[in-house]
Amino acid sequence: NAGVTQTPKFRILKIGQSMTLQCTQDMNHNYMYWYRQDPGMGLKLIYYSVGAGITDKGEVPNGYNVSRSTTEDFPLRLELAAPSQTSVYFCASIISGSGAYEQYFGPGTRLTVT
Amino acid sequence: DQQVKQNSPSLSVQEGRISILNCDYTNSMFDYFLWYKKYPAEGPTFLISISSIKDKNEDGRFTVFLNKSAKHLSLHIVPSQPGDSAVYFCAASARGQGAQKLVFGQGTRLTINP
Repeated sequence: NAGVTQTPKFRILKIGQSMTLQCTQDMNHNYMYWYRQDPGMGLKLIYYSVGAGITDKGEVPNGYNVSRSTTEDFPLRLELAAPSQTSVYFCASIISGSGAYEQYFGPGTRLTVT
Repeated sequence: DQQVKQNSPSLSVQEGRISILNCDYTNSMFDYFLWYKKYPAEGPTFLISISSIKDKNEDGRFTVFLNKSAKHLSLHIVPSQPGDSAVYFCAASARGQGAQKLVFGQGTRLTINP
């Protein structure tokens, strides 16, 4: 099992550009999440999904969009990138109904918007 | 409104001694708590958790204590080892809210000195 994989590892965007951060998990987890981590701050939930075709906003969704067409993939779309979106982005997943709350995290994507 | 707080941004401990990391929360609906460990350029990895029906959970060198009346939890690492140097995040969940979402603290950078 590769677990949760994220691409790219690093990216530099100019203001106003768009990009998609990719996230894939091979553990057949139905719940998936996107977080951002700013320096000195904890992880903030951007969007989450409880299954294919179902997504919902987290704490900081503005400026982002998501889709979930398959169980494995949960891409995060940035439209019109802004300097405030400079951050490290983490994708996570978990299987529901297990009684456990330990989410599995990918290695992260470091994004700089200049 | 920071619902989960780690008030110490950093902590330095001598190898072999005890490391104590603290976390406070404000939301009385939280009933499950986790600690994650994060190395640079990696995603967070799950360390240990505790349910609100317990006040202590132990796993090898790691013990988590929960004081519900004070809305406080702590992670004890005994003995501390150089490989424990990392950022530690406290996280909490309100299981009745669904989607197994986590709220994270800001993190504490632990440095173990040889």
